[in-house]
Amino acid sequence: EDQVTQSPEALRLQEGESSSLNCSYTVSGLRGLFWYRQDPGKGPEFLFTLYSAGEEKEKERLKATLTKKESFLHITAPKPEDSATYLCAPIGGSQGNLIFGKGTKLSVKP
Amino acid sequence: DAGVTQSPTHLIKTRGQQVTLRCSPKSGHDTVSWYQQALGQGPQFIFQYYEEEERQRGNFPDRFSGHQFPNYSSELNVNALLLGDSALYLCASSFLTSGRVSYEQYFGPGTRLTVT
Repeated sequence: EDQVTQSPEALRLQEGESSSLNCSYTVSGLRGLFWYRQDPGKGPEFLFTLYSAGEEKEKERLKATLTKKESFLHITAPKPEDSATYLCAPIGGSQGNLIFGKGTKLSVKP
Repeated sequence: DAGVTQSPTHLIKTRGQQVTLRCSPKSGHDTVSWYQQALGQGPQFIFQYYEEEERQRGNFPDRFSGHQFPNYSSELNVNALLLGDSALYLCASSFLTSGRVSYEQYFGPGTRLTVT
């Protein structure tokens, strides 16, 4: 059965304190992986697509990396506006569905 | 460029009733997927529509049904509502190219359904 685990479930950082979020997965027919950001009560906002092991993508203070079994979202010198839930979603299964983890809730205090 | 839109924003229904949610895809997209997101959980795939046909389906009962119109907009219908159907319902759009769906899905703001 396809499984996606994100850790930690919640992360509290001080402004400027860098850290990493982890997404580990067991997915049949993996075709790639998405990262989304979601603010409370809103739809997920697309951040990155990673298609192959070793690939890296960057956007402002965020960098996403991918290995064969996990992906990391690195946050460098975060700001309070980075506070949100970060969702990873491997693309897999027989028809390429997105399989979401529960997310990591990030809080950045000034 | 218009993004994905959903209506209504919020909805309150009574157990046993039926509900219809609506979605308009992002300009240029022709494929619509629906997800259910319970509080504190990640979105769960319900089904996907392309060319007015259900293309794939997640592990949801037949009470959940959908429709796609010629203009690519879509509806999600839920019959015989249960308390457990209370959730944020998300619509995501993408496009089919060369026989393969572009995996990048863009989400709408969601419809918050509360069943009492």
